Amino acid sequence: AQTVTQSQPEMSVQEAETVTLSCTYDTSESNYYLFWYKQPPSRQMILVIRQEAYKQQNATENRFSVNFQKAAKSFSLKISDSQLGDTAMYFCAFRNNNAGNMLTFGGGTRLMVKP
Amino acid sequence: ETGVTQTPRHLVMGMTNKKSLKCEQHLGHNAMYWYKQSAKKPLELMFVYNFKEQTENNSVPSRFSPECPNSSHLFLHLHTLQPEDSALYLCASSQATSGRAWETQYFGPGTRLLVL
Repeated sequence: AQTVTQSQPEMSVQEAETVTLSCTYDTSESNYYLFWYKQPPSRQMILVIRQEAYKQQNATENRFSVNFQKAAKSFSLKISDSQLGDTAMYFCAFRNNNAGNMLTFGGGTRLMVKP
Repeated sequence: ETGVTQTPRHLVMGMTNKKSLKCEQHLGHNAMYWYKQSAKKPLELMFVYNFKEQTENNSVPSRFSPECPNSSHLFLHLHTLQPEDSALYLCASSQATSGRAWETQYFGPGTRLLVL
């Protein structure tokens, strides 16, 4: 079974600054995907970024990038130039590609971007 | 409408009531999911349907009864719930469930359920 741990229940950052959210996971699988989802106060869960375990290069999506350390089983999310609209719960999720499309989520990090 | 929609957005029910949650996806996907999101707990997968067939039941109590009449619609029928069932119920959809690269799950806004 997989586990996903987000060790920071809450974080805050000043607008325009950079913040990094931590995620670690535990698995014996080698073929998997990792995801970061964002859940704003309106509650719609939105995909932020995804990373395939076989890819060495860290994924980036505009202001969002990840630091994927496979050996350490770490998958942190960096948000650059933080905006007020980035205020949300952020969930890290793991998917074992050999076991269908089921996601295992971490407990989430509440991020507050302050003006 | 686009994406994944859920109705109602809020629901209050007594323990003896029967109600249903509805989810509809407009993405042409073939797989749909129910998740439960409780305070201070990670999202919990409840059910998975792939091409209208249930492929996963994550030890969910029988007072929750899913129904998937077609690939675009998913229901969650509720009866004799307990106060601890109060939570946000999220629906999601994906192309399928084989775990391939493009099978990202897209979520609806959720139904906030309160059981009194």
